[in-house]
Amino acid sequence: DAGVTQSPTHLIKTRGQQVTLRCSPKSGHDTVSWYQQALGQGPQFIFQYYEEEERQRGNFPDRFSGHQFPNYSSELNVNALLLGDSALYLCASSPGPRNNQPQHFGDGTRLSIL
Amino acid sequence: QQQVKQSPQSLIVQKGGISIINCAYENTAFDYFPWYQQFPGKGPALLIAIRPDVSEKKEGRFTISFNKSAKQFSLHIMDSQPGDSATYFCAASIAGNTPLVFGKGTRLSVIA
Repeated sequence: DAGVTQSPTHLIKTRGQQVTLRCSPKSGHDTVSWYQQALGQGPQFIFQYYEEEERQRGNFPDRFSGHQFPNYSSELNVNALLLGDSALYLCASSPGPRNNQPQHFGDGTRLSIL
Repeated sequence: QQQVKQSPQSLIVQKGGISIINCAYENTAFDYFPWYQQFPGKGPALLIAIRPDVSEKKEGRFTISFNKSAKQFSLHIMDSQPGDSATYFCAASIAGNTPLVFGKGTRLSVIA
């Protein structure tokens, strides 16, 4: 049973560029959340997708956007990259947005901005 | 505003000893408190979780103690092993599946 998978594993971009990160949820999960983890910090919630709609959003600018596809996979897009966007981006999935089930994380995409 | 405060930032424990990590929260609406373990280059993995209707939960060598009145909870790792060396995060959420609010993490090193 495959867990949460994310691609790519690592990515290097320059300031001002745009990036797309991808996530496939764990089998049986239909809700995807994205988190940003800066070096030495805990993950911070970006947004959550369920039924192909953004359901909740954390304190991130609208340079951060996302999408969920009918097969429940998801993308995170970041425009106009800043040096401060360098971080590990984590995807977490769960079965339903509010049924009290724990979130399972992938191993993340390490994004470096030069 | 940090809603979940975690301490200590780092911890060194002898093999076989007890590791204790503490967290305090502010939002009384939180009702789900998981602990995650993260190894370098990996994502956080759920270790154990508790809800406020119980004061303690034990799974193997891992125990969560919860004090609702003090708004504090802690993770105890009994018989700590070198393989337990990792970063541990406490977290909290409302209704178990809304956004998790994480502490800043504790880097645990278990030395032989």
